[in-house]
Amino acid sequence: TQLLEQSPQFLSIQEGENLTVYCNSSSVFSSLQWYRQEPGEGPVLLVTVVTGGEVKKLKRLTFQFGDARKDSSLHITAAQPGDTGLYLCAGAAVAAGNKLTFGGGTRVLVKP
Amino acid sequence: DADVTQTPRNRITKTGKRIMLECSQTKGHDRMYWYRQDPGLGLRLIYYSFDVKDINKGEISDGYSVSRQAQAKFSLSLESAIPNQTALYFCATSLSPRETQYFGPGTRLLVL
Repeated sequence: TQLLEQSPQFLSIQEGENLTVYCNSSSVFSSLQWYRQEPGEGPVLLVTVVTGGEVKKLKRLTFQFGDARKDSSLHITAAQPGDTGLYLCAGAAVAAGNKLTFGGGTRVLVKP
Repeated sequence: DADVTQTPRNRITKTGKRIMLECSQTKGHDRMYWYRQDPGLGLRLIYYSFDVKDINKGEISDGYSVSRQAQAKFSLSLESAIPNQTALYFCATSLSPRETQYFGPGTRLLVL
């Protein structure tokens, strides 16, 4: 069982639709990061959230950290083909000495 | 020029062979990490190093060893490769465990 569970594992949508990716755990995190990975490349950081209830926006991407700091979500509005990629959440768990642990990833495909 | 480089980018080897994957960084970070990525499992930590004299096992260190030759260099070795070590391997660096991790482009390894 992974410390961080991401859902769904795969998402295929049409350009212009909205999507939400979830990252859940029973552990408390001191911070949580979202990365995007494109084929043939390493993951690249999108955002870090550190405060329970925090909401951060990055253009059409909205990131939310749960009040209890155990879960997070990524919402993309009006998705574009350029949003296609593997989205990974990663949390620094208090119980694990703040070492970063990654979720299994959500593969997003936005079709034109 | 890339901040984190990995060599080789692709490698095919046979069961039982010894193989070394190399990572170099120009970010000046003390902390370096080796991960493997398998479909649906996200990134799993193999080994990490907080400085040249500090090496730590991650969650899946069996069958692997590492060497931190300098602040900028961190190598991963498979002493006797086996087929279930076929995966995508990433090196990463960071300022601290909770800070942004900067990833290399990855090494795709196939063990026959």
